[in-house]
Amino acid sequence: AQTVTQSQPEMSVQEAETVTLSCTYDTSENNYYLFWYKQPPSRQMILVIRQEAYKQQNATENRFSVNFQKAAKSFSLKISDSQLGDTAMYFCAFHFYGSGNTGKLIFGQGTTLQVKP
Amino acid sequence: DAGVTQSPTHLIKTRGQQVTLRCSPKSGHDTVSWYQQALGQGPQFIFQYYEEEERQRGNFPDRFSGHQYPNYSSELNVNALLLGDSALYLCASSLRGRNEQFFGPGTRLTVL
Repeated sequence: AQTVTQSQPEMSVQEAETVTLSCTYDTSENNYYLFWYKQPPSRQMILVIRQEAYKQQNATENRFSVNFQKAAKSFSLKISDSQLGDTAMYFCAFHFYGSGNTGKLIFGQGTTLQVKP
Repeated sequence: DAGVTQSPTHLIKTRGQQVTLRCSPKSGHDTVSWYQQALGQGPQFIFQYYEEEERQRGNFPDRFSGHQYPNYSSELNVNALLLGDSALYLCASSLRGRNEQFFGPGTRLTVL
């Protein structure tokens, strides 16, 4: 079974500080992508960052970076210099490709992040 | 460049009724996926359409069906509504072979 686990239902951080959101996943597949999505209170889901599983180098997008540990099946998101606009629910997700899979995203339960002024 | 659009924004139905939700993909995208997101939960994959055919399906009953039109827009139909069908329904579009999916704002369905 393919599963994604986010063990932190809620987190908070002070503005300008750094926070790390945890994610672990379980799959027997070798070829897959990992994602972090952000869903602000307005509901629109936005892609924050993605990681190809075959790449060892951790992905970075401005203030967002990941720590990808393939052997441990861990994929955490680090947000540096947190801003009020980062307040949202964050979802970790992955999809594997091949074996007839066309891109079904499997999501975790989400972590609600509040950035405090 | 218009992103993914969905209609309606909100919908209230009673048990046993039928509902149709609509989605227009992002310009240039040819693949549409539908997800159900219960309150406080992560989205669950319903199905995906490409070339007007259902290509992959999640663990949802046959009451959930869909359609894709030649212009790539899509519909999600749910028959015999149950209270448990109350959720936010998200549509996501992508270009075949690409791994990034773009989400619409969703349709909030309430079943009374």
